[in-house]
Amino acid sequence: QVQLQESGPGLVKPSETLSLTCTVSGGSISRNGYYWGWIRQPTGKGPEWIGSIYFTGTTYYNPSLKSRVTISVDTSKNQFSLNLSSVTAADTAVYYCARRDKDRQIGYDPWGQGIMVTVSS
Amino acid sequence: IVMTQSPDSLAVSLGERATINCKCSQSVLDNSNNKNYLAWYQQKPGQPPKLLIYWASTRESGVPDRFSGSGSGTDFTLTINSLQAEDVAVYFCQQYSETPHTFGQGAKLEIK
Repeated sequence: QVQLQESGPGLVKPSETLSLTCTVSGGSISRNGYYWGWIRQPTGKGPEWIGSIYFTGTTYYNPSLKSRVTISVDTSKNQFSLNLSSVTAADTAVYYCARRDKDRQIGYDPWGQGIMVTVSS
Repeated sequence: IVMTQSPDSLAVSLGERATINCKCSQSVLDNSNNKNYLAWYQQKPGQPPKLLIYWASTRESGVPDRFSGSGSGTDFTLTINSLQAEDVAVYFCQQYSETPHTFGQGAKLEIK
């Protein structure tokens, strides 16, 4: 059973870069047929899709964040990562990583537990 | 694609039916296979969203059959029959037809 776990700092200063890692266990991130995504959710609001990556390195980004987002994959560590630059208070949210089945096209499942990231000086 | 859910919140008595609607600003139907790329998630406090339904009407494994989804194209409905106390949660719809994969704002379900 595949499990995902986010890790990284819970506090980031304004204008700095938010960096998070998602570690995948119970299955290989290099297995064909899965996209690995980042989704965030400000308190009390609906989730916002940030972007996703295929194990080959192909990426898809939300146009609203594209100029600040980089998602990368490290197959040797079975991890993928999120970098969000020039953060402001508006980037404060719970950040989730999740998997999407490319072939079955069934939505995002499973999700990590999420990590709260606060942008504040 | 903008996703709009209604209502924002609802209170339903135990054993009764809850209905949540989701409207997409454009169709999420793939005409090549007649599948709607629309999912419903349940989120309880402090937990990540849990996939309930995909392809608009297919229940994920292990989801009770009191949960059902319907609709096609741009208009969709999540129905919860015989409401149980454990169904108290926020429910989100999401389209994954095209990127960005957008979510609705959520519908908070409570017990009356």
